[in-house]
Amino acid sequence: EVQLVESGGGLVQPGGSLRLSCAASGFTFSSYWMHWVRQAPGQGLVWVSRINENGRGAYYADSVKGRFTISRDNAKNTLYLQMNSLRADDTAVYYCARWPLTMGGDYWGQGTLVTVSS
Amino acid sequence: QSALTQPASVSESPGQSITISCTGTSSDVGGYNYVSWYQQHPGKAPKLMIYEVSNRPSGISNRFSGSKSGNTASLTISGLQAEDEADYYCTSYTSSLTWVFGGGTKLTVL
Repeated sequence: EVQLVESGGGLVQPGGSLRLSCAASGFTFSSYWMHWVRQAPGQGLVWVSRINENGRGAYYADSVKGRFTISRDNAKNTLYLQMNSLRADDTAVYYCARWPLTMGGDYWGQGTLVTVSS
Repeated sequence: QSALTQPASVSESPGQSITISCTGTSSDVGGYNYVSWYQQHPGKAPKLMIYEVSNRPSGISNRFSGSKSGNTASLTISGLQAEDEADYYCTSYTSSLTWVFGGGTKLTVL
């Protein structure tokens, strides 16, 4: 059974940093693109970032470029999102998703809440 | 990276059909057949309903179908059921090598 479990969310002050993790199981992690998607409270889904199978190709939404870094450790079957210079508008539930190339996110985690507030 | 345009809400009676539109540009929806649709119930993770414009993942009812014309993709749900009441989002690959979501559509089954 495919499982994605996010962790690392919490309350952080503006300007602070946080690293999210997404532990994957039930599939060959190193064979799939992985994505992060976020959803602010009461708002819609927003694509954040994606990374290719070997970790050498990463892309970002303009809103997070230069502040967020996506990475992966295929030996640990884990996806990461390092978030720096956090702002109030980064407050959201962050989901990781398995995303077979052009197919879309076929499996999603349950999400982890990040709250940026003083 | 402007969000794709979806109607904020739609409503229809059980048993009827509904179509939700998703309008982008030639740099996203119109340029690629990489549009997918998601269903999201309150407090739950999104669920993939349609991928690559018109393909259904295994286990998704054939009441759900997708299509595209020009810069607009569409999701059609036939034989509406109470359990279809949810938020629906489209997403498309873009020429910037990124993905972009629509603003979401709240479906109410009357």
